[in-house]
Amino acid sequence: AQSVTQLGSHVSVSEGALVLLRCNYSSSVPPYLFWYVQYPNQGLQLLLKYTSAATLVKGINGFEAEFKKSETSFHLTKPSAHMSDAAEYFCAVSVDSGGSNYKLTFGKGTLLTVNP
Amino acid sequence: GAGVSQSPRYKVAKRGQDVALRCDPISGHVSLFWYQQALGQGPEFLTYFQNEAQLDKSGLPSDRFFAERPEGSVSTLKIQRTQQEDSAVYLCASSLGENTEAFFGQGTRLTVV
Repeated sequence: AQSVTQLGSHVSVSEGALVLLRCNYSSSVPPYLFWYVQYPNQGLQLLLKYTSAATLVKGINGFEAEFKKSETSFHLTKPSAHMSDAAEYFCAVSVDSGGSNYKLTFGKGTLLTVNP
Repeated sequence: GAGVSQSPRYKVAKRGQDVALRCDPISGHVSLFWYQQALGQGPEFLTYFQNEAQLDKSGLPSDRFFAERPEGSVSTLKIQRTQQEDSAVYLCASSLGENTEAFFGQGTRLTVV
């Protein structure tokens, strides 16, 4: 079975600073990896996904993530934080099972706060 | 509609009461998913539909939980004899197909008192 660990339930950065949200996964087969963002009282929105193509994945709102198989990691970064980035971020994994990879396994989430 | 719509947004139920949560997926989306998100946790998979067929219900926590999608569009998640541990946000998502991007609704926050 696959699993996701997000290191740090709460990350606080200053506006303009680098954002780094950590995600490590466990999977016995090649995974698909995702980052979702959840704003208060809203549903999850897909930021980016890795599906075995390029290891550096660019997403919306200036975020990117790098798949590192040797480290089983998929950390999310953004060079310069904006106030509007304050939200909860979830890393998720799915695996191919008989041609289907619909079931997402999520981490516990990291709450990002951005200080002015 | 433009996105996945869930109703009600908030539901307070007395312990032992039955509840029904509704999900209107994006028009034309074949796949529909339900997830449960407890406070401070990530969403956990409950069940998956492809059209009207429930292909995976491995995540339903007990036989008190039941989901249906009789005409392949709107889905209802029913919880019988609610208990306090059922308190959570229930998220619905839909996608064009099972391996395509899933779009999530805003969720229904269920509080069992």
